[in-house]
Amino acid sequence: RKEVEQDPGPFNVPEGATVAFNCTYSNSASQSFFWYRQDCRKEPKLLMSVYSSGNEDGRFTAQLNRASQYISLLIRDSKLSDSATYLCVVIPRTGGFKTIFGAGTRLFVKA
Amino acid sequence: DAGVTQSPTHLIKTRGQQVTLRCSPKSGHDTVSWYQQALGQGPQFIFQYYEEEERQRGNFPDRFSGHQFPNYSSELNVNALLLGDSALYLCASSSPKDRGVYNEQFFGPGTRLTVL
Repeated sequence: RKEVEQDPGPFNVPEGATVAFNCTYSNSASQSFFWYRQDCRKEPKLLMSVYSSGNEDGRFTAQLNRASQYISLLIRDSKLSDSATYLCVVIPRTGGFKTIFGAGTRLFVKA
Repeated sequence: DAGVTQSPTHLIKTRGQQVTLRCSPKSGHDTVSWYQQALGQGPQFIFQYYEEEERQRGNFPDRFSGHQFPNYSSELNVNALLLGDSALYLCASSSPKDRGVYNEQFFGPGTRLTVL
């Protein structure tokens, strides 16, 4: 089993739609969680951190479910500019400084 | 404020050769991590450097080695290149002193390595 797993997609949604991605992780002691966004042939950029209490940043909401070992990202009112690959990132407590990326979920938002 | 820079942007090598990639961290950052990203995959952690020492290593063979200099810049060396080493190599910097966001990493644009 992979340490971090994501549905690769692609998710094809119309503008204005709400879309949700999940990401599961295998190490129950994992410490920190993030969502990164990567545009085609560009470097990953931090989208948001994921806190135990959940957090929201504009149209984006991230949730953490430690009991089921998954994190989620919800995008409301999708824009064309949201088209990208969304990478789930886990930092395992026992792993120290190692950062584990999922393979990413591709999102295409169409007009 | 300069972000993370990497050089070169593209590189073509043949099997068996050696390559050195370079990274300058974001201003104020003292920690550098290297990642390999194959097409269609997420970045895979190679190793992290802090205070000029390798602090942690991922599942990569000894052919992959690195160095960090006193100015916090870093090099990634790959010996005896294989076809499978073709990938985008990303450098990311961070600072353990950052408040609010634990281990937030800022990535450079990457070096695209092609091994023929």
